[in-house]
Amino acid sequence: SQTIHQWPATLVQPVGSPLSLECTVEGTSNPNLYWYRQAAGRGLQLLFYSVGIGQISSEVPQNLSASRPQDRQFILSSKKLLLSDSGFYLCAWSVSGMSYNEQFFGPGTRLTVL
Amino acid sequence: EDKVVQSPLSLVVHEGDTVTLNCSYEVTNFRSLLWYKQEKKAPTFLFMLTSSGIEKKSGRLSSILDKKELSSILNITATQTGDSAIYLCAARPFNAGNMLTFGGGTRLMVKP
Repeated sequence: SQTIHQWPATLVQPVGSPLSLECTVEGTSNPNLYWYRQAAGRGLQLLFYSVGIGQISSEVPQNLSASRPQDRQFILSSKKLLLSDSGFYLCAWSVSGMSYNEQFFGPGTRLTVL
Repeated sequence: EDKVVQSPLSLVVHEGDTVTLNCSYEVTNFRSLLWYKQEKKAPTFLFMLTSSGIEKKSGRLSSILDKKELSSILNITATQTGDSAIYLCAARPFNAGNMLTFGGGTRLMVKP
């Protein structure tokens, strides 16, 4: 069966510090991968998605970036965090292709920027 | 720009009540609408709706899509405290990335 991992679970960082959040998926090959941010108690905003290694599409211009160095690894980064980067970050995967597929979410990382 | 709007923003009911959550969408090349339940961390998948007028049901939860009205509803009957969560709907267009546009969610609280 497929599983998706995210770490760390929680993170407190000062403004201006770098960020690296990691997401890995097990039990599937060539998944589509997604990074979302969720403001407190609200909906999900798609930040990045990837359909393959090294292929990243950005949905929202910001100081965040994403990379996919391996097939089942997705990394969210920042060189300098802003206060507004605080939130709950969720990684998700889906089966690749245009077929009838839902997304499955990881446990999330709660980021607080002070 | 694709848009999904959910209403109400929040809802407080008592156990045993029936609730209806609404989701409307404006999506280019719409393919399907998905409902998720989020309790503490990861949203969990509930339903995917592609055809208009066909109800999907799982226990006390049911959902239906109205493509003419560009909307969907999620019904929960005989609510329980365990139904307390944020309910998210998302619209999916035809695209290679299987991207979803999420609504803002409805926070449901069921009181004993």
